[in-house]
Amino acid sequence: QKEVEQDPGPLSVPEGAIVSLNCTYSNSAFQYFMWYRQYSRKGPELLMYTYSSGNKEDGRFTAQVDKSSKYISLFIRDSQPSDSATYLCAMSAKAGTALIFGKGTTLSVSS
Amino acid sequence: SQTIHQWPATLVQPVGSPLSLECTVEGTSNPNLYWYRQAAGRGLQLLFYSVGIGQISSEVPQNLSASRPQDRQFILSSKKLLLSDSGFYLCAWSVRGIGNQPQHFGDGTRLSIL
Repeated sequence: QKEVEQDPGPLSVPEGAIVSLNCTYSNSAFQYFMWYRQYSRKGPELLMYTYSSGNKEDGRFTAQVDKSSKYISLFIRDSQPSDSATYLCAMSAKAGTALIFGKGTTLSVSS
Repeated sequence: SQTIHQWPATLVQPVGSPLSLECTVEGTSNPNLYWYRQAAGRGLQLLFYSVGIGQISSEVPQNLSASRPQDRQFILSSKKLLLSDSGFYLCAWSVRGIGNQPQHFGDGTRLSIL
């Protein structure tokens, strides 16, 4: 089993839809969780950063962590065409250990 | 604010030629620095990371090397490129401190080996 699994998509939704992106992981030691957005030919841009379990909201974005299920989610409300990108989850265990990335989910929002 | 610069943005090199990719960070001191390679369908692979000048850790044995001659400068090199070295190379930085700080990426170098 891979450490981090992420459905590559592509995921296509109409403008205004609620988008749910997910990752599962196998290492119960992970406690730092991140979501990145990557536009074509650009580097990943940090969207959300959470520690341990719970929810975090920032504008139209909500990150959820369920450590008991080893499952993290990113919700995008009122999706816009500008949200079309690849979304990468990333996580790590204790300080100083490497970030482990999912392979990314490609999202397309049509107007 | 902090910024990270990578250059060149695109590079085409023949097999067997040398490589030098440079990354610099502005607006912060003593950052952790990272080199990743991103191949299509394979996600981000950590190649090297550095916690200080001259301190380099290699994650994957390969044809590449890294150096950190200055606090905010990170260089990825190769003496002889292979076809398999093609890919999208990303530099990243993070704050050195308590906990595991998020990493911030540059816009990458797309390397094609002919």
